[in-house]
Amino acid sequence: EVQLVESGGGLVQPGRSLRLSCAASGFKFDDYAMHWVRQAPGKGLEWVSGITWNSDNTGYADSVKGRFTISRDNAKNSLYLQMNSLRVEDTALYYCAKDIEWELLDPDFDHWGQGTLVTVSS
Amino acid sequence: QSALTQPASVSGSPGQSITISCTGTSSDVGGYNYVSWYQQHPGKAPRLMIYDVRNRPSGVSNRFSGSKSGNTASLTISGLQADDEADYYCNSYTSSSTLVVFGTGTKVTVL
Repeated sequence: EVQLVESGGGLVQPGRSLRLSCAASGFKFDDYAMHWVRQAPGKGLEWVSGITWNSDNTGYADSVKGRFTISRDNAKNSLYLQMNSLRVEDTALYYCAKDIEWELLDPDFDHWGQGTLVTVSS
Repeated sequence: QSALTQPASVSGSPGQSITISCTGTSSDVGGYNYVSWYQQHPGKAPRLMIYDVRNRPSGVSNRFSGSKSGNTASLTISGLQADDEADYYCNSYTSSSTLVVFGTGTKVTVL
């Protein structure tokens, strides 16, 4: 059974940093691209970032480009999101999602975690 | 990159069919057959219902079908059931600087 478990969320002040983690199990992690998708309270889904199976290509939403960095450790079956210079508008539930492909061209997310809540507030 | 445009709400009676539209541009929906659809019940993670415009993942009912014409993709739910009441989102690859764009979301109500 595929499982994605996010962690690392919490309350943080504007301008500070936070690192999210996603522990994957139940599938061959290094065969698939992975993504972060967020959902602000009461709002819709917003793609944040994606990374190919071997980390050779990454992508970011314009809203987080230059502030967030996605990475993965295939030996540890883990996905990460380093979030710097956090803003109030980054407040959201952050989901880790598995792609059905190894690359970023065709984004289809067939498994999702339950999310980790990030609250940016002074 | 703006979100893809979906109607805010669609409703139907049990057994009826409904269609949700997802309108983009030639840089996303119209330019690629890379549209997928997700169902999200309140408090739950999204679930993939359709990928690559019209393909259903294993385990998804054949009451769900997808199509595309020009810059607009559509999700049709036939034989509407109470459990279909949820929020639905489309997404697409985009050639803009943001690789992936989601739709604004549609709340489906079963009357």
